[in-house]
Amino acid sequence: AQTVTQSQPEMSVQEAETVTLSCTYDTSESDYYLFWYKQPPSRQMILVIRQEAYKQQNATENRFSVNFQKAAKSFSLKISDSQLGDAAMYFCAYRSRDDMRFGAGTRLTVKP
Amino acid sequence: DTGVSQDPRHKITKRGQNVTFRCDPISEHNRLYWYRQTLGQGPEFLTYFQNEAQLEKSRLLSDRFSAERPKGSFSTLEIQRTEQGDSAMYLCASSLGLRNQETQYFGPGTRLLVL
Repeated sequence: AQTVTQSQPEMSVQEAETVTLSCTYDTSESDYYLFWYKQPPSRQMILVIRQEAYKQQNATENRFSVNFQKAAKSFSLKISDSQLGDAAMYFCAYRSRDDMRFGAGTRLTVKP
Repeated sequence: DTGVSQDPRHKITKRGQNVTFRCDPISEHNRLYWYRQTLGQGPEFLTYFQNEAQLEKSRLLSDRFSAERPKGSFSTLEIQRTEQGDSAMYLCASSLGLRNQETQYFGPGTRLLVL
């Protein structure tokens, strides 16, 4: 079965600094999608960024970017110029034709 | 468009009772997903629909769980004879279902507490 591993249960970053959240996954598929979702406290989950596995170029969305290493099955999220509103649980997710899995999450704290 | 909505937002029930949750997806989305999320964990996939057809069910979905999407629009998730272990947040998500549109949009969830 496919697994998604987030090895950092908690991370902390100073406001305006950069932080990287790690994610690795296991799959035998060649066609899949990867996502980072953000879940603020008591609020609904929202998409931060997504990556199609067939694309070699790393996805970027404003202050958020990924480092997608397909051979290593690694998909890290970099948050630049961290803001207080970035504090949340971050979930890495994998989606193939037959499977959808989430990691256990990384709780990000942003210090003012 | 108001996004994915779920009702109720909170439900407290006694063990052994039946509960039903409703999800209204984004109107043009033909895929609808149900997840369960326990405290401190990521969502666990339960089942999904392509229009009205239920295409996939997780092993987590025991016989006490049933989901429907009768007209390919809203969906219901029913839990029969609830157990304390069913206490969790139940999330619904929807997507367009096209190859390049696999982003899922989540609802606010229904938090279930079984006493």
